[in-house]
Formats: sequence, structure tokens, C-alpha cells
Amino acid sequence: GAVVSQHPSWVICKSGTSVKIECRSLDFQATTMFWYRQFPKQSLMLMATSNEGSKATYEQGVEKDKFLINHASLTLSTLTVTSAHPEDSSFYICSASGANRAHGYTFGSGTRLTVV
Amino acid sequence: GNSVTQMEGPVTLSEEAFLTINCTYTATGYPSLFWYVQYPGEGLQLLLKATKADDKGSNKGFEATYRKETTSFHLEKGSVQVSDSAVYFCALSDTGNTPLVFGKGTRLSVIA
Repeated sequence: GAVVSQHPSWVICKSGTSVKIECRSLDFQATTMFWYRQFPKQSLMLMATSNEGSKATYEQGVEKDKFLINHASLTLSTLTVTSAHPEDSSFYICSASGANRAHGYTFGSGTRLTVV
Repeated sequence: GNSVTQMEGPVTLSEEAFLTINCTYTATGYPSLFWYVQYPGEGLQLLLKATKADDKGSNKGFEATYRKETTSFHLEKGSVQVSDSAVYFCALSDTGNTPLVFGKGTRLSVIA
């Protein structure tokens, strides 16, 4: 089945630094990638949608200059949290969708970001 | 807009008990419906799905039937195990390239 590999699974960084999270579709072409944020014991909050080769579409209230999304190829999308602060600490999850509807939506395993 | 409402948790059951997690939706058109499961510290895994009315999705003993007349997609399992303890999310999508709309999630704890 379709697999999305997300790295790193966890990361601790200092305030003011930037962190990059990668999501790779291993066996299909991810034409669309969705990035979510999840707070403890809550549902997933959609941050942005990106289509390969296009600029990401951000949800209202999500700072596009802070959360940089790149989807330059059909198998790789990255989320960079710039100038991270403790309030950015969260669980980030990507989800990929391909042209083959049978694949549906495939989720990465998530990245736990802790900013200290 | 589209929305998903699922029963609030947490739900605590004894092993081998019957499970029902209610899910209703609001959508224009004919969405696809999904149940995802999230184990602690992990991403989401697709549990089952249904793409049209009266379809029944099933996997690992879990079942859910797409009921258009009641706009529901309730998750059921006849006999839960401790290993089923997780958070379950009901979701819908209009197309394969629009974001999933999630319910708030229901935490299930199964005790031996």
C-alpha cells in the first residue's frame, strides 16, 4: 500500500532556530500534500495544502512566513518552522494524496516538536 | 461547509465488550467517509472507508456503514481488545485532493 515517510519523528530545538520536517511518498506520486498540527488530546488542525510545483494554500490564522512549505517534487514536501518559539511545540503530521484515488489519503507518522 | 460530529470521549470498555462510536456528518454532495485510528505518539492509520451510500467498510473486526438517510457512519466492533485502545477519528472528503474534515476524535480505553 501507499506509504509516507515523515522525518524526524521527534526534535528538540532552541528558541529562535528553524526546524525542517520532511515527508516523502515512497511508492506513489503525491500530487497534493496536507500539513496538520495536533495539540495534546485534540483533533488535527489543517495548516496548509500544497500541490506539487505550486505555492501552498494556508488556512486562516496560519502564518505562511513562519511555516514555510515546499512541495517541489511529487515525492517530497517539507515544512520548515522558522524562528521557533515554545508555543510552536506541537505534533505535526503530513498527509499525501495522489492521482490514484485508490490510495486515498496516506498519513506520515508525525513529528513531535519541542521548542525550549 | 462540511463538518463531522462524533461522540465525545473518553470511552472505557472491558475487554470483549461491544463498541459503538457515533459519527454524523454534514456535507454537500456525496462525500467519502473514513475512520482513522491513532495510537499514542503516532500518525493516523486508515481503519476503514466507504465511498457511497450503503457501502460498508470493514477491517480488523471494525465495521461502519455509510447511511445517507441519517447522514451517519457509526463505527462498531463486536468484541474489543486491549490493543484497540487508541483515538478514533471520523472524517469525510469531497474529492481526493481536498483536505479531510475530521471529527474531534474519540479516545477509547479497553481494560482487561
